[in-house]
Amino acid sequence: QKEVEQDPGPLSVPEGAIVSLNCTYSNSAFQYFMWYRQYSRKGPELLMYTYSSGNKEDGRFTAQVDKSSKYISLFIRDSQPSDSATYLCAMVSGGTSYGKLTFGQGTILTVHP
Amino acid sequence: GAGVSQSPSNKVTEKGKDVELRCDPISGHTALYWYRQSLGQGLEFLIYFQGNSAPDKSGLPSDRFSAERTGGSVSTLTIQRTQQEDSAVYLCASSSEDTSNTQYFGPGTRLTVL
Repeated sequence: QKEVEQDPGPLSVPEGAIVSLNCTYSNSAFQYFMWYRQYSRKGPELLMYTYSSGNKEDGRFTAQVDKSSKYISLFIRDSQPSDSATYLCAMVSGGTSYGKLTFGQGTILTVHP
Repeated sequence: GAGVSQSPSNKVTEKGKDVELRCDPISGHTALYWYRQSLGQGLEFLIYFQGNSAPDKSGLPSDRFSAERTGGSVSTLTIQRTQQEDSAVYLCASSSEDTSNTQYFGPGTRLTVL
């Protein structure tokens, strides 16, 4: 069993929809959580990071962490065709953002006009 | 400023040949990471360098893989006697304490072993 599980999709939604992306993890040492977005043939780029349980908002994006359930989510409001990409959750063990990342498989998202 | 750059962008090689992949991190970044992304395995950690400390090699899949970082800047990932299962995109990332250790990724090198 992988340390981080993520449904690969693909997920297809109409423009304007709310998108929910999720990951579960098994290693309690993971304390720092990130969401990356990766466009085709590009490297991943960081969208959001958080280290505490609860919600964190940034524009149309909300990251949610539930450490008791070992479950993290990314919500995208008012989705746009430009949001079409692969979304990867990533985690770091220990109390800082420093160190090797453990990634989920990535979810392929398509937002159609 | 310039981001992380990697070369070559694509590499096709024959089974059994050695390959070298290069990474130029963001100037001033003290940490440098190598990852591999393949269809079956997703994005996997290979190795990272932090300043003058010994590198963390815990993700290297076999002794055919090695990496070095010269002068605390440029890094080279070497794969000896390549196998078809080495075909993947090799991604490099760098980070700095100044930017909350956010890892900035390069575009990757797509390696195909025939």
